[in-house]
Amino acid sequence: DGGITQSPKYLFRKEGQNVTLSCEQNLNHDAMYWYRQDPGQGLRLIYYSQIVNDFQKGDIAEGYSVSREKKESFPLTVTSAQKNPTAFYLCASSIRTGAQGDTQYFGPGTRLTVL
Amino acid sequence: EDKVVQSPLSLVVHEGDTVTLNCSYEVTNFRSLLWYKQEKKAPTFLFMLTSSGIEKKSGRLSSILDKKELFSILNITATQTGDSAVYLCAVFLFTGANSKLTFGKGITLSVRP
Repeated sequence: DGGITQSPKYLFRKEGQNVTLSCEQNLNHDAMYWYRQDPGQGLRLIYYSQIVNDFQKGDIAEGYSVSREKKESFPLTVTSAQKNPTAFYLCASSIRTGAQGDTQYFGPGTRLTVL
Repeated sequence: EDKVVQSPLSLVVHEGDTVTLNCSYEVTNFRSLLWYKQEKKAPTFLFMLTSSGIEKKSGRLSSILDKKELFSILNITATQTGDSAVYLCAVFLFTGANSKLTFGKGITLSVRP
């Protein structure tokens, strides 16, 4: 089956710990994205990557880091520097980022709770 | 600052009603507007609109874009309980290497039996 997978589904972390969220896609998409969703806030862009070994900061990148070593994978690390990390994290991918925009397809999300 | 504003923020209707969800935007470098439906987890794609005045339709859902007045509407006719979800509007801003989607806060629709 083609699609985007995120793991784990639920994640609990103690304050001060770094944690890495996984995102994998087998759609052969070039572009991948990480969003954060808080209640009543819609989706906010954390980081995105249009090609392997390159990525850009989104609107709320502070306290997060990413890597894009393979086309299929775009892991997100939530560091201890992120002040309020409890949220629902969504990964998305699209064929490319063209002039009109390409439809982004989303994974099922990871709910992170900091205890 | 780029803004995407959706209204109302929440809505409760009964099955069979028709609803209209609004999305207005104030952005630079607009290229397209997208609607997504989010039930529990992953948003699922509904429509992408790039041209004014051309209605896109899928079953009971339809959407149209007005690039002069800078808004879009999503209509759902003969609503069903399965339409209960958060509806997200997003605008694609093209700035070359930094092109991205900017999302509104979403509209929570509840359809009562």
